[in-house]
Amino acid sequence: RKEVEQDPGPFNVPEGATVAFNCTYSNSASQSFFWYRQDCRKEPKLLMSVYSSGNEDGRFTAQLNRASQYISLLIRDSKLSDSATYLCVVNGRSNTGKLIFGQGTTLQVKP
Amino acid sequence: GAGVSQSPSNKVTEKGKDVELRCDPISGHTALYWYRQSLGQGLEFLIYFQGNSAPDKSGLPSDRFSAERTGGSVSTLTIQRTQQEDSAVYLCASSFLGSSTDTQYFGPGTRLTVL
Repeated sequence: RKEVEQDPGPFNVPEGATVAFNCTYSNSASQSFFWYRQDCRKEPKLLMSVYSSGNEDGRFTAQLNRASQYISLLIRDSKLSDSATYLCVVNGRSNTGKLIFGQGTTLQVKP
Repeated sequence: GAGVSQSPSNKVTEKGKDVELRCDPISGHTALYWYRQSLGQGLEFLIYFQGNSAPDKSGLPSDRFSAERTGGSVSTLTIQRTQQEDSAVYLCASSFLGSSTDTQYFGPGTRLTVL
């Protein structure tokens, strides 16, 4: 079983749609959680950290359920520029920077 | 300021040859990481340097892979006797403290092709 699992998609949605991505992780000792975004043939960039209380950044909302070891990302009013691969990421050992990446979920927003 | 840089951007080599990949982290960042990304796959952790501590080498796939970080700055990832399955994009990242909450900043990667 992979340490971080995501539905690879692709998710094809029209502009303005709301789309949700889910992710599960296996290591209950993980302390930090992130969503990274990766554009085609580019390096990953941090989209947002994920906190236990849930957090929002504009059109993006991230949620964490530690009991179920489940992370989600909600994108509202999707834009063409949101088309990318979204990587669910957890730290691999407590209090270290070693990150474990999911394989990513591809989003394609259509006009 | 300057981000993480990597060289070369592309490397084509023949099976059995050794290759060296270079990473220049963001100035002042104490932690440096190497990952690789095979076609259509997520990033796979390889190795992690944090200050003067012994590196975490737990992700290196075989003893053909090694990495050094000189002077707490530049790092070199060496792959000996390359195999076709080593073909991937090798990504380097750095972060300020190396803690679990730090943002990691990635370089553009080195695309390695082993013929």
